[in-house]
Amino acid sequence: ETGVTQSPTHLIKTRGQQVTLRCSSQSGHNTVSWYQQALGQGPQFIFQYYREEENGRGNFPPRFSGLQFPNYSSELNVNALELDDSALYLCASSLQGPYEQYFGPGTRLTVT
Amino acid sequence: QQQVKQSPQSLIVQKGGISIINCAYENTAFDYFPWYQQFPGKGPALLIAIRPDVSEKKEGRFTISFNKSAKQFSLHIMDSQPGDSATYFCAARNYGGATNKLIFGTGTLLAVQP
Repeated sequence: ETGVTQSPTHLIKTRGQQVTLRCSSQSGHNTVSWYQQALGQGPQFIFQYYREEENGRGNFPPRFSGLQFPNYSSELNVNALELDDSALYLCASSLQGPYEQYFGPGTRLTVT
Repeated sequence: QQQVKQSPQSLIVQKGGISIINCAYENTAFDYFPWYQQFPGKGPALLIAIRPDVSEKKEGRFTISFNKSAKQFSLHIMDSQPGDSATYFCAARNYGGATNKLIFGTGTLLAVQP
């Protein structure tokens, strides 16, 4: 059984640019959630995907968007990057329903 | 009302001692309370979790105590070891609306001294 994987491990972008982060869910899991973890803070829920549709969203602006693919993998896209977008972006996978979430190692995004 | 308050912010414990981290919440609709352990450069790893109909859950050296009336829960690490040094996050979930969304506390940085 493979765990949650994310790519890239880290990247540096310039303010105003766009970025795409990728996540492969744990084997057998059909739901993917994305979280943003600022330095020294707990993760904050961005949104969740199930059956290739957004299934719940946190308090993040529309420039944060996502996709889920038929193989349950997912992408997080952020447009018009701002300095405050610098954070660790975490992907978590689970079964659909009130089940445990398992996190990937994260992608460290730095916006300069 | 969606917040989870966690304390202390940091904790230093001697090897073999007991580490205690506390969390409090307001939303009585929360139905699941997990604890995650995070090492530097890694994602959070699920450690132990409890549901509000249970007052205590123990797994090895880790115990969750849950006080529903006080809306508080805590993590106890018995016989703390240097390898337990990490950041610990409590979290809570409100599954209403079919979204499996976790709300995290701000974290506790635990250092276990040899």
